[in-house]
Amino acid sequence: AQSVTQLGSHVSVSEGALVLLRCNYSSSVPPYLFWYVQYPNQGLQLLLKYTTGATLVKGINGFEAEFKKSETSFHLTKPSAHMSDAAEYFCAVTREANFGNEKLTFGTGTRLTIIP
Amino acid sequence: DAGVTQSPTHLIKTRGQQVTLRCSPKSGHDTVSWYQQALGQGPQFIFQYYEEEERQRGNFPDRFSGHQFPNYSSELNVNALLLGDSALYLCASSGTGRDTEAFFGQGTRLTVV
Repeated sequence: AQSVTQLGSHVSVSEGALVLLRCNYSSSVPPYLFWYVQYPNQGLQLLLKYTTGATLVKGINGFEAEFKKSETSFHLTKPSAHMSDAAEYFCAVTREANFGNEKLTFGTGTRLTIIP
Repeated sequence: DAGVTQSPTHLIKTRGQQVTLRCSPKSGHDTVSWYQQALGQGPQFIFQYYEEEERQRGNFPDRFSGHQFPNYSSELNVNALLLGDSALYLCASSGTGRDTEAFFGQGTRLTVV
């Protein structure tokens, strides 16, 4: 079985400050990891994904995440927060190479608020 | 490319009624998955359809059923609605092969009163 834990249901940062959203996973097989963003009353948009290879992955809107197997973590970061980053962020895990055809297991989400 | 489209966007139903939600996948995609997102929670996998058959299923009761049509579009049916079925229902489509990601629709907000 696979699971994801997102630490901190709410995170507030000042505009221009570092964004750090935490995600830890549990998986009995090599995981494929994702971060999605959800704006109010909208669906999910993929920010970035880790499958194999380079452990530091870069995504859209200046976000990046690092896969750390020893810590079972996949934290999301952005050097400088922008007001438009305010949204709900979800970490998700799946298990196989054709990951589009495998179910995603999501965390409970982190609501990011940007303080002007 | 219209992406994944879902209809309706909002729906209000009464307890005990039945509801049908619809999803058209992104062009070129043949696999459709459905997720339920309760308020304040992450999405939970309901089931997945491929080649008009249910390929995977999450931990949802039989009241939740689905269908996929030859044009790859899909329906989610929920019978005997409960208040707890109130949620955002998300459809995701994907293609076959390695490194194909799932694209999500905007969702259908179902309210059961």
